[in-house]
Amino acid sequence: QQQVKQSPQSLIVQKGGISIINCAYENTAFDYFPWYQQFPGKGPALLIAIRPDVSEKKEGRFTISFNKSAKQFSLHIMDSQPGDSATYFCAASIVETSGSRLTFGEGTQLTVNP
Amino acid sequence: NAGVMQNPRHLVRRRGQEARLRCSPMKGHSHVYWYRQLPEEGLKFMVYLQKENIIDESGMPKERFSAEFPKEGPSILRIQQVVRGDSAAYFCASSLSRNEQFFGPGTRLTVL
Repeated sequence: QQQVKQSPQSLIVQKGGISIINCAYENTAFDYFPWYQQFPGKGPALLIAIRPDVSEKKEGRFTISFNKSAKQFSLHIMDSQPGDSATYFCAASIVETSGSRLTFGEGTQLTVNP
Repeated sequence: NAGVMQNPRHLVRRRGQEARLRCSPMKGHSHVYWYRQLPEEGLKFMVYLQKENIIDESGMPKERFSAEFPKEGPSILRIQQVVRGDSAAYFCASSLSRNEQFFGPGTRLTVL
């Protein structure tokens, strides 16, 4: 199975709050899990990524939590700002195979109210 | 260091025409990926290329679609005899290794 399921589909958060987006995968061979941020009319921008040998990775206000046994990972955006309003995509890939193509979740539209 | 470049940014074609989308990867990147994003949907993998080689085309429709990444010049995604269902945003990504993929701004194809 190559599917990656993402939730929620949309999320509204107040400025200063924590935004949490969740993803679940089925293929245990996945070994690279990036998150992308996309603004309307733009291409996806790599935010942060994690490999399964760690349970958490933090970069500034963005944190990935990874639960290998549950096959789930999540993005936490601390102190959310209106400028964070965008669509967020989780993804997964198998780095060492000939493909290493990204399998994306369906996306979460985040709105941060001022 | 310039990012991934795609052109044209917007392309309008009538049904039955051909569409050619170009992608110049980041400097030094030899891996190129094409993805398609239908309205209100996530991105779907189409094809993965290295210089002069198609490595994985498992996401490409069997007919009308082709891709190349020549020794010199940009990668080209070609859609022959376009239909309305081909209307989408097409993104190219490049990577230095098989790890981080960096995306271009996309080409938005509209088929009339």
